[in-house]
Amino acid sequence: AQKVTQAQTEISVVEKEDVTLDCVYETRDTTYYLFWYKQPPSGELVFLIRRNSFDEQNEISGRYSWNFQKSTSSFNFTITASQVVDSAVYFCALRIYSKLTFGTGTRLQVTL
Amino acid sequence: GAVVSQHPSWVICKSGTSVKIECRSLDFQATTMFWYRQFPKQSLMLMATSNEGSKATYEQGVEKDKFLINHASLTLSTLTVTSAHPEDSSFYICSARPTRYNEQFFGPGTRLTVL
Repeated sequence: AQKVTQAQTEISVVEKEDVTLDCVYETRDTTYYLFWYKQPPSGELVFLIRRNSFDEQNEISGRYSWNFQKSTSSFNFTITASQVVDSAVYFCALRIYSKLTFGTGTRLQVTL
Repeated sequence: GAVVSQHPSWVICKSGTSVKIECRSLDFQATTMFWYRQFPKQSLMLMATSNEGSKATYEQGVEKDKFLINHASLTLSTLTVTSAHPEDSSFYICSARPTRYNEQFFGPGTRLTVL
């Protein structure tokens, strides 16, 4: 069975601070995909990134960066110079075949 | 591209009534659609997987007679909450997977409140 753990329930930072959201996953499959989604108050999921299990390259997209480490089964997400608009719930998810398993989410609050 | 819509975006109903939620893939055909439920401040939980033209596959603990899913065409799946009760109040989100492409695209969600 697969499992995704986001140990941080809520994080509060002041604007311009860097923040890292942790994600640890469990699976016995060797082929899988990892995702990060943003869920603003409107509720609609916003896709941020997808990474397959064979690609451990870290990725940077603007202020966002992701660190994938198979050795520790982690897929962490860092926001650099956070902004108020980053306030949302962030979900990490694991997909094996078609089944997508979500973590419990981390609520990020960025204040001025 | 890859837009998924849901209708209605929110609904309030009385206890005991049935509510139908539609999920449409607007610019692609989806052989498979997924229904998720999200309680306040909780994660998304997969309820069922529906395949066009066949019966839906429900996750453990989800009552198939209560949550009726119909995937009648390659662009439309419906979820009917029968005899709704206040504990069914939740945010229901669908996703659609394009034919021959293993990726899910999410709808905007439907907020159901049962009084």
